[in-house]
Amino acid sequence: SAVISQKPSRDICQRGTSLTIQCQVDSQVTMMFWYRQQPGQSLTLIATANQGSEATYESGFVIDKFPISRPNLTFSTLTVSNMSPEDSSIYLCSVGGRGGAPSSYNEQFFGPGTRLTVL
Amino acid sequence: AQSVTQLGSHVSVSEGALVLLRCNYSSSVPPYLFWYVQYPNQGLQLLLKYTTGATLVKGINGFEAEFKKSETSFHLTKPSAHMSDAAEYFCALYNFNKFYFGSGTKLNVKP
Repeated sequence: SAVISQKPSRDICQRGTSLTIQCQVDSQVTMMFWYRQQPGQSLTLIATANQGSEATYESGFVIDKFPISRPNLTFSTLTVSNMSPEDSSIYLCSVGGRGGAPSSYNEQFFGPGTRLTVL
Repeated sequence: AQSVTQLGSHVSVSEGALVLLRCNYSSSVPPYLFWYVQYPNQGLQLLLKYTTGATLVKGINGFEAEFKKSETSFHLTKPSAHMSDAAEYFCALYNFNKFYFGSGTKLNVKP
């Protein structure tokens, strides 16, 4: 299985500021996903980040608010920009498609999440 | 359209009792189905998955699920609950390179 780490594990931020969340994987993966889990709710996909291409954002999420970088096959960052209390959530990184293969469902693993509180 | 519905946001069982967590799905193509567990302050861990083949799928920690196409269901069961099973469980569907998650069911196990 893939080992995924996220930094920071939690943070408390002031409104109007930005936070960058890092996701590191111990092996090369094709597809990386960023999810948001708001309090008491399920996971919502923010975007899919494939190395070498622009991230693909889901409806309701925009690049200006959630810019994503994917510089290589083991690392990605998600920035939550101009934060408001409504951005308080757990942000989860997940990966799929180890070894460069695009098949994500067979190799889907989740990071431990970043708990963000915006005051 | 793809969607996942989990019936019951909270389920409470006694230790040793049967665990049944319900999941129904809607999919325009044959689905891949998953159950994930999330312990407090942790990420999601895969319990089991159905892709093709045998419709009764066995997972970790004694859990199993049965894919019933006619009922569009993928309910999760465990014959005997353990205190360590207390967690939140998510049913998910995978199609077109995306996961669709249900709203989750929190399982409480009473001593």
